[in-house]
Amino acid sequence: AQTVTQSQPEMSVQEAETVTLSCTYDTSESDYYLFWYKQPPSRQMILVIRQEAYKQQNATENRFSVNFQKAAKSFSLKISDSQLGDAAMYFCAYRSGNTGNQFYFGTGTSLTVIP
Amino acid sequence: GAGVSQSPRYKVAKRGQDVALRCDPISGHVSLFWYQQALGQGPEFLTYFQNEAQLDKSGLPSDRFFAERPEGSVSTLKIQRTQQEDSAVYLCASSALTYNNQPQHFGDGTRLSIL
Repeated sequence: AQTVTQSQPEMSVQEAETVTLSCTYDTSESDYYLFWYKQPPSRQMILVIRQEAYKQQNATENRFSVNFQKAAKSFSLKISDSQLGDAAMYFCAYRSGNTGNQFYFGTGTSLTVIP
Repeated sequence: GAGVSQSPRYKVAKRGQDVALRCDPISGHVSLFWYQQALGQGPEFLTYFQNEAQLDKSGLPSDRFFAERPEGSVSTLKIQRTQQEDSAVYLCASSALTYNNQPQHFGDGTRLSIL
């Protein structure tokens, strides 16, 4: 099974500042997809951003962007102009492009936004 | 409804009792997934349905766990003879297609507590 590692259990950022959440993964596949999900206290997992491994260009969604380093198997999330509503657990997830359908999730990073 | 609906939101049961958790996916979604999320951890895959067919049940932790989706829409996860280690949040997710770049849309989960 693929392994997804989030080495930062907790992070904090000042409102309006920028924060980067780290994620690394282990795979022998060349075709796969990576996702960042946000989970607020309500528990619903909300898709933040996704990246196809075959695309060299880093995905961007408004204030959220990724730094995808395929050779290093790294997929970090950058949140710019942080807002109070960004406070949540953030999960990095891997999905194979070839076999299986399930997501492999990391253990999550709890983000606190300081007013 | 517009999103994935799960019921009940909370369930408390005594050890040894059977429980049934319901998931109502987004209308028309082909794929349906169940995940188990222990406290402080990321979700872990349990099982996957494509329409009414259960294509992958490799994540089910024991034969006490059983899932079904008889008409390719609503799904039920049943746990027999519950144990304390079954206490967790059970998340259901659905996606429109079977392509692996499709995001999964998650419900709010059912928090199961076994006394």
